[in-house]
Amino acid sequence: KQEVTQIPAALSVPEGENLVLNCSFTDSAIYNLQWFRQDPGKGLTSLLLIQSSQREQTSGRLNASLDKSSGRSTLYIAASQPGDSATYLCAVRRGSGNTGKLIFGQGTTLQVKP
Amino acid sequence: DGGITQSPKYLFRKEGQNVTLSCEQNLNHDAMYWYRQDPGQGLRLIYYSQIVNDFQKGDIAEGYSVSREKKESFPLTVTSAQKNPTAFYLCASSRASGYTDTQYFGPGTRLTVL
Repeated sequence: KQEVTQIPAALSVPEGENLVLNCSFTDSAIYNLQWFRQDPGKGLTSLLLIQSSQREQTSGRLNASLDKSSGRSTLYIAASQPGDSATYLCAVRRGSGNTGKLIFGQGTTLQVKP
Repeated sequence: DGGITQSPKYLFRKEGQNVTLSCEQNLNHDAMYWYRQDPGQGLRLIYYSQIVNDFQKGDIAEGYSVSREKKESFPLTVTSAQKNPTAFYLCASSRASGYTDTQYFGPGTRLTVL
């Protein structure tokens, strides 16, 4: 059974700091991994999607890496800003079937202090 | 504007009542999904539909029911059989249910049982 874990559960940093969020999964047979952002009481916004054949994806100040063999992904946020404060969720897409089902981690809640 | 709408934003239910959560999308997506999110946890899949008039159970379908009579709509009914329905409910859609397609999320409905 695929399990996804995110550490830490919460993180507080001063503005301008570079930071790394971690995501680990137990079954390396995944099709892809996706990072989402969730603002309080809101839905999810997709940030980055990494296919199983890729090692990393970049969008602006965000960089996500994927190491399937070790079951790990990291989301790197450069020069953090108060507007980055949110909960960040990673999700893996199951390796069997064609139903697009995602398995989510519990999220890391980030607070960037001005 | 294209997107996914969910209503109501907040919903209160008395024990023993059935309630229906609305999800509508105008993205012309074939696949739609319902997730449940509990505090400090990731999302768990309740039901999903790959095409009109077809749907499958997700990981936690007990106590829930859905219908997919129109491509744009995928309502979720929380029945009295659901033991602990208080949660945040998120609807999502994707172009297809294949593993390469990104899921887009609605703003969510927060259900509270009184």
